[in-house]
Amino acid sequence: EVQLVQSGAEVKKPGESLKISCKGSGYSFTSYWIGWVRQMPGKGLEWMGIIYPGDSDTRYSPSFQGQVTISADKSISTAYLQWSSLKASDTAMYYCVRYDPSGWFDPWGQGTLVTVSS
Amino acid sequence: SYELTQPPSVSVSPGQTARITCSGDALPKQYAYWYQQKPGQAPVLVIYKDSERPSGIPERFSGSSSGTTVTLTISGVQAEDEADYYCQSADSSGTSYVVFGGGTKLTVL
Repeated sequence: EVQLVQSGAEVKKPGESLKISCKGSGYSFTSYWIGWVRQMPGKGLEWMGIIYPGDSDTRYSPSFQGQVTISADKSISTAYLQWSSLKASDTAMYYCVRYDPSGWFDPWGQGTLVTVSS
Repeated sequence: SYELTQPPSVSVSPGQTARITCSGDALPKQYAYWYQQKPGQAPVLVIYKDSERPSGIPERFSGSSSGTTVTLTISGVQAEDEADYYCQSADSSGTSYVVFGGGTKLTVL
């Protein structure tokens, strides 16, 4: 079974750094792109970017370029999303998802809730 | 920036047919995909490549495309189909940027 398992919920203060993870299993991790999607409270889905773990080729949405860093460690089949200085507006649920070359996202991780509050 | 437009809400009675539309200028050139998200859960792919249904998705879910509009149709709607539905595609500029529609809340009356 193809599965993406994300790290647990985080509560952080503004200005702190954070790195959340997404571990893939049940498929060749280096052969599929992994994407990250943000969902702010009560809002819709926003594509943040994708990474190809095979060679770490990364593409960012213009809305998130420079705001976050997407990386991957293929040796442990894990992708990451990190912030160097969190803001309250980063409070959201973050999903990792396998991105099929034909254009769709499946399956999705269970989500990681990030809360940023002073 | 490229946008996909969905109606904010659609309401139907059980057993009726629900149709959720998604409009975008690049849809004649790019496939569309549909996701269902129930409260407190991660989204699930219900339609890919405009009209293909993944294994495990009930036959009452179908998709179609016409010009700049794609449509998700749920025939014989059941109470369990109440959820948010999102379309997704890419722009046609060659950047492969992914875009989601704003989402449609399906209410089963």
